[in-house]
Amino acid sequence: AAGVIQSPRHLIKEKRETATLKCYPIPRHDTVYWYQQGPGQDPQFLISFYEKMQSDKGSIPDRFSAQQFSDYHSELNMSSLELGDSALYFCASSGGLAEKSSYEQYFGPGTRLTVT
Amino acid sequence: QKEVEQNSGPLSVPEGAIASLNCTYSDRGSQSFFWYRQYSGKSPELIMSIYSNGDKEDGRFTAQLNKASQYVSLLIRDSQPSDSATYLCAGAGGGADGLTFGKGTHLIIQP
Repeated sequence: AAGVIQSPRHLIKEKRETATLKCYPIPRHDTVYWYQQGPGQDPQFLISFYEKMQSDKGSIPDRFSAQQFSDYHSELNMSSLELGDSALYFCASSGGLAEKSSYEQYFGPGTRLTVT
Repeated sequence: QKEVEQNSGPLSVPEGAIASLNCTYSDRGSQSFFWYRQYSGKSPELIMSIYSNGDKEDGRFTAQLNKASQYVSLLIRDSQPSDSATYLCAGAGGGADGLTFGKGTHLIIQP
């Protein structure tokens, strides 16, 4: 079965640079979520989009922004990168909100961001 | 502040035995609960979802939810060494809400 696709898988940036992470949800899934997981930490929710509209917002820094496009893929834009932004960034998707089973979030393989 | 609490472990269980993982949550508005398995450096993998009070079984896994006690658990029967991983409990309000994760329980299945 098709899974969530994230690109790039690894990214190295310097402080104060910008980064763009991409996420392609499971086909027919209309909701996308972004999470940040630091070393030894649990995933922290950043932001979600349903039908291209921002749906829920977590602990996303003001330096970060995200959007969902007409084909349902999403991009997380990160500016003025700091050393503390080094983490695994996961995208998850879920399908339609009509049934409770559609609340299940399936995670992509993640993008490992290293800020030097 | 939404919180999900788990014992970080490690929890060591002999192969073939039942592993019992527990989780409590603070937000009574949470409607959906999930158990994820995560291997080191990999992404969380959905194991079980549960929305109503009671038990839900899927193969070797049984999830239990008690909303009155704000308690969620996961039982793994016939534990295998491949079950050794970190198990994350998560809750959400429903819809497109983000998940609130616990810190995870590190499970070790001893051959």
